[in-house]
Parts: sequence; structure tokens; C-alpha cells
Amino acid sequence: DAKTTQPPSMDCAEGRAANLPCNHSTISGNEYVYWYRQIHSQGPQYIIHGLKNNETNEMASLIITEDRKSSTLILPHATLRDTAVYYCIVRISGGYNKLIFGAGTRLAVHP
Amino acid sequence: EPEVTQTPSHQVTQMGQEVILRCVPISNHLYFYWYRQILGQKVEFLVSFYNNEISEKSEIFDDQFSVERPDGSNFTLKIRSTKLEDSAMYFCASGTGDNSPLHFGNGTRLTVT
Repeated sequence: DAKTTQPPSMDCAEGRAANLPCNHSTISGNEYVYWYRQIHSQGPQYIIHGLKNNETNEMASLIITEDRKSSTLILPHATLRDTAVYYCIVRISGGYNKLIFGAGTRLAVHP
Repeated sequence: EPEVTQTPSHQVTQMGQEVILRCVPISNHLYFYWYRQILGQKVEFLVSFYNNEISEKSEIFDDQFSVERPDGSNFTLKIRSTKLEDSAMYFCASGTGDNSPLHFGNGTRLTVT
């Protein structure tokens, strides 16, 4: 699986958009980009995933660059409850393929 | 929304004892996983399981560990003889095997004294 690079920490004001970057320059054609988050010591929570098109759901938007070497997770209106560690993970499609977690980005949302 | 459930939420055991951590995956999922997270460290992959056998395991998953799907709903992780360094959060996950995401339970905190 391709390696990802994320900043170790970020801050965001409550109510503002949080834009979390991720580099995955060695991604290959059959690898998807997944985003998860972990609040305190709870289980990782799925947020969104995509292959090459931008994606949006009720939680977030995922913007993937045309060359697929990087992506940005956008939380449009961050709340205090969005304070968590956010993981960007590249995963080969299909089968039993596991997720490999890195250190992620610790996002702190402040009032 | 269906979810992965894990029991117990916290397990305390003495070194050398056997423990069994239990998980009920989402009902139509076919692929099952165990991960662990030592306090302050990354979430680490332990093992994946499909069609009643291990698909892949990490180097952490040594002979002290085993997994089983004893019936149609439960998925268990057994640690035969616990060590102090086995103290961690253990997360179960399940998936459908296509590009759909894995779903995680909220973990069992294992404390070995």
C-alpha cells in the first residue's frame, strides 16, 4: 500500500472549514483514498473515501487532485466534537485488504 | 445503522492468563479484522480473516494469538498467555470485501497486571 504523509497537528476555529491535507505521491491506479478519524480512544470512525473523483457526504468532502498524488479532507463547519486524530489511508481495492494507519493529523477545534 | 460491537469494554487480567476478546461484526459482512493500539501509539493491524481462515497476519500476531469464528455471529481473539506488553486497546473491524469501508467497534481495553 502507498504511504501517506500528513501534518502532525492542525488547529481550526469552531464554525470554520477545516481543510486537512494528505500526500500520497506513490499511489497506484487501483488504490483508493480513505479517511477515518479517532476521537479519544474510541474505534476509528469512517468518514469518506474516493478513487479519483471528488466525493461529498453528510460528514465531509474529499478533494483528490487530478494526478491523485494528494487529497484534502474538508469539514465544512467544524465543531468542538470534530476534535480528533484524522487518518488518510491508501488501500488497494477489493478483497480482505487491510487498512494501515499512520500517525494521522491531530485536529484541535477551538471556540 | 448496524455497528460492530465488542465485549467486554474493559478486561483486566493477570500476566500468564488466557483472555478472549469478543466481537459481533455487522451481519452481512464477510471479512473480519483485529487491530490493537498501545496507549499513545498507532493503530496496528493484527490479522484479517475470511471464509473461516486467516487471510493475513502481522508479525505481532505470533503463536500466542488465535482467532475464531465459533458461530455465525461472533468473531473472537484469544491471547493464550498474556504479557504486560499486551496491554492495549483491541479493535475489531468488519467489511464486505469490495471497496466499501471497514467498520470498527469501540474496542476492548485490555490491562495485564
